[in-house]
This record gives sequence, structure tokens and C-alpha cells, in this order.
Amino acid sequence: EIVLTQSPDTLSLSPGERATLSCRASQRVPGSYSAWYQQKPGQAPRLLIFGASSRATGIPDRFSGRGSGTDFTLTIRSLEPEDFAVYYCQQYGSSVTFGGGTKVEIK
Amino acid sequence: VQLVQSGAEVKKPGESLKISCQISGYRFIGYWLAWVRQMPGKDLEYMGIIFPEDSDTRYSPSFEGQVSFSVDTSISTAHLQWRSLKASDTAMYYCARAVGDTPYFDYWGQGTLVTVSS
Repeated sequence: EIVLTQSPDTLSLSPGERATLSCRASQRVPGSYSAWYQQKPGQAPRLLIFGASSRATGIPDRFSGRGSGTDFTLTIRSLEPEDFAVYYCQQYGSSVTFGGGTKVEIK
Repeated sequence: VQLVQSGAEVKKPGESLKISCQISGYRFIGYWLAWVRQMPGKDLEYMGIIFPEDSDTRYSPSFEGQVSFSVDTSISTAHLQWRSLKASDTAMYYCARAVGDTPYFDYWGQGTLVTVSS
């Protein structure tokens, strides 16, 4: 099973700042098949990025993903108030696993 | 696209339960449908997928034998079922449309909270 480790656990930032979230896989993710989700309290996850770098329908372009192999990154270019949430990475190159999440909180 | 899940449930250990996920806005039989567990304050866990057209089902090893998936294509609804609940089954359960059979998940239900307590 591919284990995904996200860092940091918590990111404390102010609106307007840039957020960079990391997801490292325990082994190479075939096809670099990775996705990112946003989850707010009391809500279901929402797909942001699939295929490592493709934005899902309706996702603002301040969200971007990159990476391959074992290292993947989600960047939020300039944080809006609604972006403070927990973010999960997922790999689907070999079965499916999720990372432990990064909480982006208001500083 | 909408996935609407059944309401919260409170059950006792040993009881059975079936929760549902009704879809609209897309061709039900054309996509895999996944179930994802989130225990209180914890991370997302992939339970498995079912293909509604032929009920081909693939369980994640951690959930094999613990739950069962089914569908009713006449009402575009998927079900997640337990024969004998345990306290450790207390969690939020999400259905999600799965893209591919080793999938990511592009649309999610609102979740069904299952509480198992004596």
C-alpha cells in the first residue's frame, strides 16, 4: 500500500498569503495519479485537483497542483477567507489511499 | 450532478443497517460509485467501489467482509450495508462518484453519520 504523508500538519497564514502544501508518497505513484481535496467543517470533501495538476470543474485558478513520482504539491496563490480548511491528497495509481491532511488556519 | 444520502442513524452494537445514496444529474450505470469512511476527527478511508451496471464490486482489504455494497438501478440508488454493527463503525460515511476503477472522486454526497452505541 502506498502511504501518503502530508506536511505540515497545520499551516497558519493570513488572507492574501501563498500556501504551499506537500504530499510525499512512500513509493512512486504510477502515472502520477494524484488528487487534492478541500474539506471544511461539517462538509463533504470537494475535489480540487486530479491528475496531479488538472483543476476540477469550477475550481479557481489560484489553486494549482504539481508533482510526479513521490512528491506532490498543492499551491494556493493568494488565500481567500473561504480557503481556510483541511486539505487531503490522494493517490489512485495503485489502489487508493489518502494522506493525513493539512489544516490551513487563519494566523 | 447530485448525490443525496440518507439521514443520520443511531444503532446498537450487533444491529444491522443499510444506508443509501441516491444520484441524479448523470447516468447512474455509467460510473463507478465509491464509499469513503471518516471516523470522528480522523482522515478519509477508502472502502471500495461498485459499478452499478453489473454490480461489479471491489472492496478495500480493510473493509472486505465487514460491509457490503449494492445498487438499485431502477431508482439510481446505491447502498452500504452492515450485518452486525460494532462501536468502531461509528463514523461519517460518504458516497462519491468515482472516475475510473482506480479512481479519484469528483462528486460527493453530503455524508451519513452512523453512531453505534449501547
